Amino acid sequence: DIQMTQSPSYVSASVGDRVTITCRASQGISTWLAWFQQKPGKAPKLLIYAASSLESGVPSRFSGSGSGTDFTLTISGLQPEDFATYYCQQANSFPPSFGGGTKVDIK
Amino acid sequence: EVQLVESGGGLVQPGRSLRLSCTASGFTFGDYALSWVRQAPGKGLEWVGFIRSKTYGGTTEYAASVKGRFTISRDASKSIAYLQMNSLKTEDTAVYFCTRTAAYCGADCYGIWFDPWGQGTLVTVSS
Repeated sequence: DIQMTQSPSYVSASVGDRVTITCRASQGISTWLAWFQQKPGKAPKLLIYAASSLESGVPSRFSGSGSGTDFTLTISGLQPEDFATYYCQQANSFPPSFGGGTKVDIK
Repeated sequence: EVQLVESGGGLVQPGRSLRLSCTASGFTFGDYALSWVRQAPGKGLEWVGFIRSKTYGGTTEYAASVKGRFTISRDASKSIAYLQMNSLKTEDTAVYFCTRTAAYCGADCYGIWFDPWGQGTLVTVSS
């Protein structure tokens, strides 16, 4: 099974900051990677798929990059509505697996 | 609008059974696979299982933690997917989400994308 490791697990940031979250797969997954945003009490929301493709309706301040085993999610110019927990997910093979999550909190 | 609505959660004793439902609307139900993903209180996301579309035979895959205890099925006439949970354990306590799944399946599946998700239903396993 493929293990997904996210870092950091917690980041404190201010509105307008640039935030970068990393995700590492235990084996190569090409670009079969998704990023989700989850707010308390809500379902996860797909932000990015195929490592760098922005889901329709997602603001362009979100971007993804990487391939193989190392990936990043960048939020350029953090907005108040971006404070949430973010998860990566490998879509390469069964069982699909998630990273442990990164909580982005207000400084 | 694509929508998924879960129901059937509640409090159940260890060793008992529970069936969750996922009612879909806004898309052609038979054309898509569906998955169940759970989230224990205060924890991360854990994939539970998957049922292929009719095109790919409607076959299923399960996480090791639930294999042999949980069963996923689908009723195309009602646009409903089910998660039958037997021999429940306290560690199965979680919010269970249903999610439409896009996957490319041959001998194996890849490109397993979860979008959108239902609002979730809470299952509490406790005596």
